[in-house]
Amino acid sequence: DQQVKQNSPSLSVQEGRISILNCDYTNSMFDYFLWYKKYPAEGPTFLISISSIKDKNEDGRFTVFLNKSAKHLSLHIVPSQPGDSAVYFCVGGSEKLVFGKGTKLTVNP
Amino acid sequence: DTGVSQNPRHKITKRGQNVTFRCDPISEHNRLYWYRQTLGQGPEFLTYFQNEAQLEKSRLLSDRFSAERPKGSFSTLEIQRTEQGDSAMYLCASSLAQGGPIAYEQYFGPGTRLTVT
Repeated sequence: DQQVKQNSPSLSVQEGRISILNCDYTNSMFDYFLWYKKYPAEGPTFLISISSIKDKNEDGRFTVFLNKSAKHLSLHIVPSQPGDSAVYFCVGGSEKLVFGKGTKLTVNP
Repeated sequence: DTGVSQNPRHKITKRGQNVTFRCDPISEHNRLYWYRQTLGQGPEFLTYFQNEAQLEKSRLLSDRFSAERPKGSFSTLEIQRTEQGDSAMYLCASSLAQGGPIAYEQYFGPGTRLTVT
């Protein structure tokens, strides 16, 4: 069963606009959630995380929102930059990480 | 470079052969993880170590797979009698767990891409 779901395989936005990446989860036992970014030929790199007891975490241009009642989280990138173009993984965390399938973000100049 | 390193970066082997991959974690990290990623999927957990102890193995890790972390430093992942379905990117990650069960941020290496022909 897929515990972390990213239903949009791709997203395209214009430079300077907001990018919103969405994620749903089924496992209520996750202690925290993370977003990882992956460029081709590289391993995933940590971007931002949120504890399961919080509803928002912000770090510069990146904000993650957690709606526990809906079992939904989202990553907002404002403003989007061409260098943000990558695959973004939504991840549920406890002792190990459970990854979604990823969303490929393309930011057009 | 103090990141996670993996060798080799690419491996092409014939079906039935054995292969071994190596991961060198960030030196002060006590946890080491192995993941497998296939096309169109996110990384899937295989196993993890705390120091030299292997604490959990996924059901994805068949009997043909074995992982070790002697002395709690580098780790090796061996696949015996490789099958075409083993073709994937094998990722290693490390983290620092301080006293509790949870180790938050994991740092990933670049991966080893295995192709079984």
